[in-house]
Amino acid sequence: QQQVKQSPQSLIVQKGGISIINCAYENTAFDYFPWYQQFPGKGPALLIAIRPDVSEKKEGRFTISFNKSAKQFSLHIMDSQPGDSATYFCAVSGFKAAGNKLTFGGGTRVLVKP
Amino acid sequence: DTEVTQTPKHLVMGMTNKKSLKCEQHMGHRAMYWYKQKAKKPPELMFVYSYEKLSINESVPSRFSPECPNSSLLNLHLHALQPEDSALYLCASSQVIGTGNAEQYFGPGTRLTVT
Repeated sequence: QQQVKQSPQSLIVQKGGISIINCAYENTAFDYFPWYQQFPGKGPALLIAIRPDVSEKKEGRFTISFNKSAKQFSLHIMDSQPGDSATYFCAVSGFKAAGNKLTFGGGTRVLVKP
Repeated sequence: DTEVTQTPKHLVMGMTNKKSLKCEQHMGHRAMYWYKQKAKKPPELMFVYSYEKLSINESVPSRFSPECPNSSLLNLHLHALQPEDSALYLCASSQVIGTGNAEQYFGPGTRLTVT
């Protein structure tokens, strides 16, 4: 059973454009929603994370929007740059749900064209 | 400092070999994790250690044997692996499970090839 559905699988955006990646989850026990960025041959790097008590969190060009009632959250990358080309994974976790275990979405490969 | 280090970076081993992967963190984290990642797939949890004790084993085959010698170190002992075990093995660490501070920090991984 897929607990986190991520879309799209891949995304091409022009430099300066907006990249939007969506995730949907099912278990309401989750209370921590991070996004990870992974470059080829490297480990995932924590990019930004949100908890369900807020609907939006912004860090630089990266914004998470969270819709608790719809059980959905999304990552917006503003002013996308070629250096943002990577695979992005959403994840869900919560200590009520098997203590801090991260369950990842399937990933989105983002390519930013110059 | 949010660095998790892993050695070796690359490992090629035969199906009859015994090898070990090593992970180290100096962030004072008391939870450490092993993940396996196949190409173009998300990381999959294998093991979780909390306060140096194994707390989660995701039904991993016994040819993978984890060990947590102290709060900074995590090992993964490999024996009689199969070619399908070839993958990127990632170590991660976080604050104590259950505190509500769940940020997991990943190392760069060990690229394992089983021949």
